[in-house]
Amino acid sequence: QKEVEQNSGPLSVPEGAIASLNCTYSDRGSQSFFWYRQYSGKSPELIMSIYSNGDKEDGRFTAQLNKASQYVSLLIRDSQPSDSATYLCAVNIGPYFGNEKLTFGTGTRLTIIP
Amino acid sequence: DAMVIQNPRYQVTQFGKPVTLSCSQTLNHNVMYWYQQKSSQAPKLLFHYYDKDFNNEADTPDNFQSRRPNTSFCFLDIRSPGLGDAAMYLCATSRDREADTQYFGPGTRLTVL
Repeated sequence: QKEVEQNSGPLSVPEGAIASLNCTYSDRGSQSFFWYRQYSGKSPELIMSIYSNGDKEDGRFTAQLNKASQYVSLLIRDSQPSDSATYLCAVNIGPYFGNEKLTFGTGTRLTIIP
Repeated sequence: DAMVIQNPRYQVTQFGKPVTLSCSQTLNHNVMYWYQQKSSQAPKLLFHYYDKDFNNEADTPDNFQSRRPNTSFCFLDIRSPGLGDAAMYLCATSRDREADTQYFGPGTRLTVL
């Protein structure tokens, strides 16, 4: 069964600390990886996309990809109360290139403690 | 600003009464998707259009239909809503192929009485 797995949390992090969110995926052929933030009752909002092994930084956010180990992570530096949300990992999974489907994990609920 | 718009934001219907949700986009993206998301669950893809080419997920109930009359608009029709269809319905778009970055609209919260 091809899938995306995340720790559902809740993950509690003190304000100003680093929040680390992890995601593993089953399809070794996956090429596109995304992190979405979803506030309660709202729709997912794209935070980061990553396609190559290594780190990608955007402001306080860093996405890390390791295709050999089939995991992708999101680091949030200097965590703020406004970062409290559910973070969805999404991975393209499919039978062949160009016919993939974006598959979501169930999300990790993050709470930043003031 | 280019965006994905969904109407209505909240929809209340009665058991068995047909309902239509709408999505429009100003991004000029080729692909439009409909997802269903229930509380504490991952978004579940119902179907998507690549331009006019309709792609139905194998496990999408027959109760759900979709129309895309033009590039900008896409509709989700629920022919006979059941209590289990109460959920957030999310429309998303992507510029090109299915694995491209998807951008979500604000969603429609459907309540079935």
